[in-house]
Formats: sequence, C-alpha cells, structure tokens
Amino acid sequence: TQLLEQSPQFLSIQEGENLTVYCNSSSVFSSLQWYRQEPGEGPVLLVTVVTGGEVKKLKRLTFQFGDARKDSSLHITAAQPGDTGLYLCAGARGNNRLAFGKGNQVVVIP
Amino acid sequence: GAGVSQSPRYKVAKRGQDVALRCDPISGHVSLFWYQQALGQGPEFLTYFQNEAQLDKSGLPSDRFFAERPEGSVSTLKIQRTQQEDSAVYLCASSLVTDTQYFGPGTRLTVL
Repeated sequence: TQLLEQSPQFLSIQEGENLTVYCNSSSVFSSLQWYRQEPGEGPVLLVTVVTGGEVKKLKRLTFQFGDARKDSSLHITAAQPGDTGLYLCAGARGNNRLAFGKGNQVVVIP
Repeated sequence: GAGVSQSPRYKVAKRGQDVALRCDPISGHVSLFWYQQALGQGPEFLTYFQNEAQLDKSGLPSDRFFAERPEGSVSTLKIQRTQQEDSAVYLCASSLVTDTQYFGPGTRLTVL
C-alpha cells in the first residue's frame, strides 16, 4: 500500500500552460519534500515544507502544504520544456526515513 | 563541491551472483540511507545509518541484502545470490541531522 498517492501519474502539456499536481496521504508527516528526478539520475530536492498551510515559491513553482500536514500540491506557472521530469513527493517519518509516492511524470511539449 | 557519489553506475549480474554497491556520502554527513527504486515506482526505503550504527534495516527485502558503514563514511550495499526481482536502481542519500536528504545518481542493477 502506497503511503503517499500522487495524481495525476502522467501529465502532458504545451509550453506556456499552467499545471498542478497533487500528493495526498491519510498520514501526518513532520515535513514533506518535493524532488524532481530526470532519467538516469537521482532525485534532486526542490523544496521542504514543514508548517501546515505553508506556501513556498521557487521561481515559477509554487508548493503548498495542507493545513493538516497530510497533503501537498505543486503548481507550475507557464511551464517550460526544462520542467519536464518526474516529480516525487516524500513524507518524513521517524528516523528521517522518507516515504515516497510513485511520482507525477510531467512532459512539457515545446 | 562534491555531492553523493555511487559506484558502479551500472551493474549487470547473472542470477545467483553476489554484487556490492558503493556509496560515498557528502563529507561530514552523519546519516546515510539506501533506497530501492523499481521501474515506474518511487524510491522505497531499505536501511538507515547514523555514523557507523545501522539504526533501521526494516526495509531490507530479505536476508540476502546486507549493508555496512564500518567507519561512518563510505557505505556498501551487498546483495547475495541475486534474483531477477532485485533488478532496480539503488539510491544512496546522505544528510546532516535534518530531514533534508541529498541523493546520489544511483546504481542501476540488472539481473539476467
């Protein structure tokens, strides 16, 4: 059973469009992290959210942590081909071990 | 600045062979983690070290999997008598005492 459910699993959009992907769980996490992973590489950390209701912005990426610290969303404004990748959310449990979702595969078409 | 490095990047093994995967964490990072990522899946936790102590090995799928970090720096993940279901990318991550983990590029293991 996947602790974190990410949706949609696959999303293809045109350059310049906006998109939102979601990460949901029935569990509470002390923090939640978003990573981007490209083929043949390890995940690269984008952001860590800690406080319920927190919103963080990273250039055209906006991350939100749910009030109850169980879910999160990632919104990309004016997507560019360089945004293509697998977006993984991960919740921190005890001992700092991370529980990952399956990821949101995003493809931005030029 | 050096990040987490892993070697080899690719490993092909015949079923039944033993393999050893190496992880060099970021210098000074106390915590080290191993994850397994099957095709089309997110990483799954295998084991966790704090310095040389293996504090959590609950994610290791069988007793064929063994990890060590004898001097609290470099770590080795060993898989004995490999099977086809062991084929995956094995990721290593290191961190200070915070939640932020920094991942290496992974070792892609293919068992024929």
